[in-house]
Amino acid sequence: DGGITQSPKYLFRKEGQNVTLSCEQNLNHDAMYWYRQDPGQGLRLIYYSQIVNDFQKGDIAEGYSVSREKKESFPLTVTSAQKNPTAFYLCASRRGDEQYFGPGTRLTVT
Amino acid sequence: GEDVEQSLFLSVREGDSSVINCTYTDSSSTYLYWYKQEPGAGLQLLTYIFSNMDMKQDQRLTVLLNKKDKHLSLRIADTQTGDSAIYFCAESIGDYKLSFGAGTTVTVRA
Repeated sequence: DGGITQSPKYLFRKEGQNVTLSCEQNLNHDAMYWYRQDPGQGLRLIYYSQIVNDFQKGDIAEGYSVSREKKESFPLTVTSAQKNPTAFYLCASRRGDEQYFGPGTRLTVT
Repeated sequence: GEDVEQSLFLSVREGDSSVINCTYTDSSSTYLYWYKQEPGAGLQLLTYIFSNMDMKQDQRLTVLLNKKDKHLSLRIADTQTGDSAIYFCAESIGDYKLSFGAGTTVTVRA
């Protein structure tokens, strides 16, 4: 059963803590992406990776970090430097011109 | 720069056609996309159109592209209650990145 998994679905953290969001895909896609969604807004690109061991900043990378050590995995760390971390985070992978999304992780920081 | 705009809300009666409109600014966009998001879920790729086409039909979905006016629309024929969702328009902006609109919330009433 191929697809993109994100875990957990809901995540709660205290302010000042770093937190890592998981994204795994078994679609054999080279490219992966992280987006953030806030209420009433479109998705904004945080980071993306076209190939293993390489990644680039998107439009809102400040306060976030990523790694791409394996083709299947693209974890996102939300650091304490991110001023407004509460949001819905979506991971995607790409085949050709088509981007496919995971189910998302809702992060709440209090 | 990139900027995708959509109207925020659309209410339609079950069985009627829905038309969701979108304008974009990047004339070099190669592909334009429509995604559907149900509450609390990720985005589902509905359809997309290459920028040198003016129409694409896929079952109940028809995409129209007016490249001169940078206007994209999605028509859903015979709208059903299961079509109630948020619909996002997106344009490709180079390096396979996507720029999204804020989404149109479609409500189907009986």
